Amino acid sequence: GENVEQHPSTLSVQEGDSAVIKCTYSDSASNYFPWYKQELGKGPQLIIDIRSNVGEKKDQRIAVTLNKTAKHFSLHITETQPEDSAVYFCAASDQTGANNLFFGTGTRLTVIP
Amino acid sequence: SAVISQKPSRDICQRGTSLTIQCQVDSQVTMMFWYRQQPGQSLTLIATANQGSEATYESGFVIDKFPISRPNLTFSTLTVSNMSPEDSSIYLCSADRGGDTEAFFGQGTRLTVV
Repeated sequence: GENVEQHPSTLSVQEGDSAVIKCTYSDSASNYFPWYKQELGKGPQLIIDIRSNVGEKKDQRIAVTLNKTAKHFSLHITETQPEDSAVYFCAASDQTGANNLFFGTGTRLTVIP
Repeated sequence: SAVISQKPSRDICQRGTSLTIQCQVDSQVTMMFWYRQQPGQSLTLIATANQGSEATYESGFVIDKFPISRPNLTFSTLTVSNMSPEDSSIYLCSADRGGDTEAFFGQGTRLTVV
C-alpha cells in the first residue's frame, strides 16, 4: 500500500516569512495529492489539492508543487500570518475524494507574531 | 462542500462500555468514511460506510469492535464497543460526492476512555 512521509513534524516561523512542508509518497499509482489544515478542536479542512497532470498550483498565499519522478510534493505558504498556525496534513490517493486517502503524519506550524 | 455534523463532539467513557457516534451530512453524498486520529498522530481509515450494506473494514479493524451503520445517503453511525483506554482517540467522519469531488470532514469526536 501507499506510504506517505511528511517533514518537518514541527515548524516555527516569524510572521511574514514563508513556510514549506514536504511530503514523499511510495506508490506511483497515486495521482491526487490534497493538503488539509486542522485547527485545534476541528476536523481537517482541504486548503489546496493537486493532480498528477499538473506540476504546480497556486491559490493566493498557498501553493503546492509536485514532482512525479521523485515522488514528492510540497506545500508553500507565503507571507505567513498567525491564523496560519495549525497542523497541516498531506495525503496521497489513486482517486479523487475521500476514498483511499493515505495521510502523512502532520506538521504543526506555529507563526510567531 | 457540504457540512458534516458529528455528535457527540467529545465524551468521557468508562472502560467496557460502548459509544455510538453519529455523522449527519447536510446533503446526499456518495461515500462516507470513518477515521481514527490518535493523539498527536495522523489519520487512519477505519472503514468505508456503505449505504444499505455492510461496511468495508481496513486491516486491523473489525466489525465486532467498530460496528457501522449507514441507513441512507446522509447519515452514518460508528460504535466503539467494549472500550479500553487504548480506544481514546479522535474519531472523524468523512464524505465525498463521488466523481472529481473533494473529501470533507466532520469536526471529530474526542473520546477519552477511563
